[in-house]
Amino acid sequence: EIVLTQSPATLSLSPGERATLSCRASQSVGIYLAWYQQKPGQAPRLLIYDASNRATGIPARFSGSGSGTDFTLTISSLEPEDFAVYYCQQRSNWPITFGQGTRLEIK
Amino acid sequence: EVQLLESGGGLVQPGGSLRVSCAASGFTFSSYAMSWVRQAPGKGLEWVSAISSSGGGAYYAESVKGRFTISRDNSKNTLYLQMNSLRAEDTAVYYCARGGGSSPLDYWGPGTLVTVSS
Repeated sequence: EIVLTQSPATLSLSPGERATLSCRASQSVGIYLAWYQQKPGQAPRLLIYDASNRATGIPARFSGSGSGTDFTLTISSLEPEDFAVYYCQQRSNWPITFGQGTRLEIK
Repeated sequence: EVQLLESGGGLVQPGGSLRVSCAASGFTFSSYAMSWVRQAPGKGLEWVSAISSSGGGAYYAESVKGRFTISRDNSKNTLYLQMNSLRAEDTAVYYCARGGGSSPLDYWGPGTLVTVSS
């Protein structure tokens, strides 16, 4: 099973700041890495797929990069609605696995 | 508009069974793999199972293998998860999502809560 490790566990930033979230895989997943955002009481929402492709309707301030084992989600300038939990997920190998999540909180 | 709506959650005793369903609309259901993902209270996301577009291939997390069965009825645009021998640790919100190994999980339902307790 591929283990995804996200860092940091919690990130405290202010609106307007830049956020950088990391996801590291225990073995190569190629580009088959996605990022999801989840707000309290809501289902997850796909942000980025295949490492760097924004999903439909996702604002340009969200970007993804990386390949192999190291991936980054960047939010260029935080909006109030961006404070949430973010998960990475791989679909390179069965079983599909998720990272443990990064909580992005308002400083 | 793509819509997924889960149903069938509820309270079940340990060792019991439950079937949850996911009604899909707004896309050609038979063209997409589908998945179940769960989230225990206050915890992260855990992928549970996926099924190919035709239903010919099914995949499971080790934690549910042998107890859960995923299936689909493409004539009814509905995905199912049959859960047997339920344990307290299966308590979670169960989400259905479009996609699986061949594609990202791009649309999700609101989820249905399954509680396993005596």
